[in-house]
Amino acid sequence: EPEVTQTPSHQVTQMGQEVILRCVPISNHLYFYWYRQILGQKVEFLVSFYNNEISEKSEIFDDQFSVERPDGSNFTLKIRSTKLEDSAMYFCASSEALEGRGYTFGSGTRLTVV
Amino acid sequence: GNSVTQMEGPVTLSEEAFLTINCTYTATGYPSLFWYVQYPGEGLQLLLKATKADDKGSNKGFEATYRKETTSFHLEKGSVQVSDSAVYFCARGAGKSTFGDGTTLTVKP
Repeated sequence: EPEVTQTPSHQVTQMGQEVILRCVPISNHLYFYWYRQILGQKVEFLVSFYNNEISEKSEIFDDQFSVERPDGSNFTLKIRSTKLEDSAMYFCASSEALEGRGYTFGSGTRLTVV
Repeated sequence: GNSVTQMEGPVTLSEEAFLTINCTYTATGYPSLFWYVQYPGEGLQLLLKATKADDKGSNKGFEATYRKETTSFHLEKGSVQVSDSAVYFCARGAGKSTFGDGTTLTVKP
């Protein structure tokens, strides 16, 4: 069964450093997403991406965040200057169509900012 | 705005018991509805979905019916197993899904 692959599985970084979280979506999917889950809390939408541009973003996704699809297979989330409160599990997801199909999620990257 | 309200957990059941996890959603438009499951230490997996009123999603013995009149999408399973222990999330919409808070289910042998 096709999978969404995320790397690394765990990243520890110092406050103020830049991090890049990587994702390889399913190859025939057209819509890409990042969600995050702070430990013990709900899953929160960050951003959706379609046709090489952001289609929607949440208020969490401020100027410190950016996404990119640099080469047609990878989909990255960059946090420019990490804060302690960025510590969370970050999930990448992809879907074939916008409505009705549900996502395939990756297994997540646990980001710990110290 | 859009919201999803899930039954608060944790829920603890004995093996072979009947499971219901309640989920209600705000009725803006006609969103697709989903249940996701998160096993310990793992990511989110799509469990089942329904895209229109009266649709029933089903998978691995779990079922949920899209009820427009009560804006509900309750998850049920007739006989739970220890391996069903996980966190279950109800979600509405696609593109920008809104998730419930999650309900932790523990099934004891």
